[in-house]
Amino acid sequence: GAVVSQHPSRVICKSGTSVKIECRSLDFQATTMFWYRQFPKQSLMLMATSNEGSKATYEQGVEKDKFLINHASLTLSTLTVTSAHPEDSSFYICSARETGNSNQPQHFGDGTRLSIL
Amino acid sequence: AQTVTQSQPEMSVQEAETVTLSCTYDTSENNYYLFWYKQPPSRQMILVIRQEAYKQQNATENRFSVNFQKAAKSFSLKISDSQLGDTAMYFCAFMIDTGTASKLTFGTGTRLQVTL
Repeated sequence: GAVVSQHPSRVICKSGTSVKIECRSLDFQATTMFWYRQFPKQSLMLMATSNEGSKATYEQGVEKDKFLINHASLTLSTLTVTSAHPEDSSFYICSARETGNSNQPQHFGDGTRLSIL
Repeated sequence: AQTVTQSQPEMSVQEAETVTLSCTYDTSENNYYLFWYKQPPSRQMILVIRQEAYKQQNATENRFSVNFQKAAKSFSLKISDSQLGDTAMYFCAFMIDTGTASKLTFGTGTRLQVTL
């Protein structure tokens, strides 16, 4: 149980392209999902908290207009990197926590490696 | 703000031996949760073990156990009978229960290499 699916696993695209990453909780409902960014050999940096039916909460320094988050259902959150540039290249990971279990660990997707040429 | 410190960037252990990864944290809260996550080369984040701060007993999961010292704000991970598949980055993480949006704070990680 508690499976989180993240798609795509790898994206290579040209500068200026917008890229959408999906995060789905397959066997549980998740009111809240989280989006992280990880640079090579570094830790996970929380970018934003995605809230079903409401606006995402962004961490300090994260551009809201650059990283658009939509959480339209209890099982799906999307992160769109708008007008991506090479500096946006990174590993992006989502996680989800089952609704009603705020003290339970987050379950992570397998990540998306984004490469902007 | 909460901080998590992992002072060992890299460690190495021989197969079948025991290794301990250190983690310290700083918080003024009394009730919180601590986790160890493993990230193998595939980069998937895998929960290894969790500890509730209100529990005095150290958590164990098969070959993995923790030494939780609340007063010292220390949360080390012991891996017994190390296996090649244990080679990975290990992240210590801290969380306060603030409801559905409870956030994890991660340490900088320790890269563990298990050798023959």
